[in-house]
Amino acid sequence: GQQVMQIPQYQHVQEGEDFTTYCNSSTTLSNIQWYKQRPGGHPVFLIQLVKSGEVKKQKRLTFQFGEAKKNSSLHITATQTTDVGTYFCAGPRDSNYQLIWGAGTKLIIKP
Amino acid sequence: GAVVSQHPSWVICKSGTSVKIECRSLDFQATTMFWYRQFPKQSLMLMATSNEGSKATYEQGVEKDKFLINHASLTLSTLTVTSAHPEDSSFYICSAIPPTNTEAFFGQGTRLTVV
Repeated sequence: GQQVMQIPQYQHVQEGEDFTTYCNSSTTLSNIQWYKQRPGGHPVFLIQLVKSGEVKKQKRLTFQFGEAKKNSSLHITATQTTDVGTYFCAGPRDSNYQLIWGAGTKLIIKP
Repeated sequence: GAVVSQHPSWVICKSGTSVKIECRSLDFQATTMFWYRQFPKQSLMLMATSNEGSKATYEQGVEKDKFLINHASLTLSTLTVTSAHPEDSSFYICSAIPPTNTEAFFGQGTRLTVV
């Protein structure tokens, strides 16, 4: 069935270092969405990418959608403690409004 | 953005009792809502799709008689965990997608602890 794989599961970084998470879909996606879940909280929508090869930026966050619309990445430059949380990618399921979720990448700032 | 409200945010119940969780879309009508379960340090697991005015669609492996879903109005879906057991303890989250959007908006989540 349709799957969205996301790696790595965890990433430990020193504050100020960069962070990247990658998503790979088994099928071509009409769009891909990124969400952030803070510890103890619920997922919050960050951004949606629709076009092949699209790149969007939100301050220190850069989102990319692959040319084939099957993979995507989120890159955070110079991480801060406020970036801590789990980042999920999600793509629409073929047949209905449901979203297929990646497993998430947890960003951990080393003390 | 759209607002989805979930209640209660946490609940502790005894084994064998039932717990009802409500999910409301406050500023839009939601013909479809989604119920997820999330174990610690794990991803979101879709349990079921709640459809207004009709039966919910359950994902494979989710017991429909244990997790009762009712979507009686365009702004309210409820999930009832029946005859709860400690292994049902988890974080349950609902979400909905407004008609003019493609992104999902989530409720605050309900942390259920069964003792």
